[in-house]
Formats: sequence, C-alpha cells, structure tokens
Amino acid sequence: AQKITQTQPGMFVQEKEAVTLDCTYDTSDPSYGLFWYKQPSSGEMIFLIYQGSYDQQNATEGRYSLNFQKARKSANLVISASQLGDSAMYFCPHNVEEYGNKLVFGAGTILRVKS
Amino acid sequence: DGGITQSPKYLFRKEGQNVTLSCEQNLNHDAMYWYRQDPGQGLRLIYYSQIVNDFQKGDIAEGYSVSREKKESFPLTVTSAQKNPTAFYLCASGQSGGYTFGSGTRLTVV
Repeated sequence: AQKITQTQPGMFVQEKEAVTLDCTYDTSDPSYGLFWYKQPSSGEMIFLIYQGSYDQQNATEGRYSLNFQKARKSANLVISASQLGDSAMYFCPHNVEEYGNKLVFGAGTILRVKS
Repeated sequence: DGGITQSPKYLFRKEGQNVTLSCEQNLNHDAMYWYRQDPGQGLRLIYYSQIVNDFQKGDIAEGYSVSREKKESFPLTVTSAQKNPTAFYLCASGQSGGYTFGSGTRLTVV
C-alpha cells in the first residue's frame, strides 16, 4: 500500500526564519510524483510545489524548495523567510502511476509562525 | 477562469436522509476525485473517476455513491448508510503533474 508519513504533528517557527517540514513516502513504483499543499483554516487546498521521481534537480518555487532524497524516500519542504500568512496545515501527498495516479495523503503538519 | 466549483459550501443533513454534493470543473480534466477530511486529519479517498461513465471505489467508499455522466461533473451522494457523515468534503481534478481542488463542502448531521 502507498503511504505518506509526516512525523511532525505541529511546528513553530519565528517570523523571517526558515523551517523544514518532513515527509517520507513508501512506494516501490519507479514513476511517481510528490506534491506539497497548504491548507489554511478556510479549508482550501493551495498547491505549493511538485517533484517528479525522475527529476534530477530539487524543485523550487519562490520561498519554497523541496529537499528530495530519493534513496531515503523523503521529500522535505523548506520554507525560507517565514511569514505570518504561512500559518496553516501542510500536506505532502504523492501519486503513483501504477495505482491510477490517485493522490495519497498523510496526516499533515500544522505550522504556526510567531511574530 | 478555469477551476472547480463545489456546492453548497455548508450542508446540513437529518438522520436517515440522502444528500448530494455537487462538483463541477471547467479544466477539461479527465480524472476527478472525492476526498473526506475529518478535523485535524489528512484526506481520505472516497471515489475517483478517470473517464466519463467509469468510476472506482477509494479507501472509504461505504455509504457513498457517485456518478460521472459528463466530463465536467462528478456529484457525490452521502447515503443514509454512512453512519458518521459529518466531515469536510473536497473534490479534485487532474492527474500526474497537477491537481486542482474545489473549496469544499462542510457537511453536518443534525
């Protein structure tokens, strides 16, 4: 079964500092995608960043970067220069081509940015 | 603008009643998905459809039903067989490199 593990239920970070949110996945399929979504209290799911299993370089999108370590099956999200608006729930689902490209979610990590 | 529209935003259901949640997309995506989210938890897959007139059960399909008669529409019915339907329901479309989510429906049993 496909599984996502986010070991940090909650994280605090000081405004303007960087924070790393951990994510490990479990799949034996060679073709898969890794995503990070942000979910504020309103409930909407906001796409942040994507990494394909065959991508050679780590993905970056503005203040977001993905630390992809394929051998360790980890895809940690790094948020630089945290802002108060970054406070939200964060999810790192993945999809696997062999299983119909369904997104599989973990439990998520709640991030709180302190001023 | 392209996107996914879910309605209603809030829905109240009486015991023993069936209710239908709407999901419409104009992104021309073949695949659509329904997820359930309980407070403080991740999303669990209820049903998904990869093409019109075809759909498959997800991890928690019991007590739910869907249809996919049009590419743009993927309604979810919460039946009276679902014993604990109070939750936040999210619809999504897309596949491979990108997925778009609707804004969700909060269902409460009264």
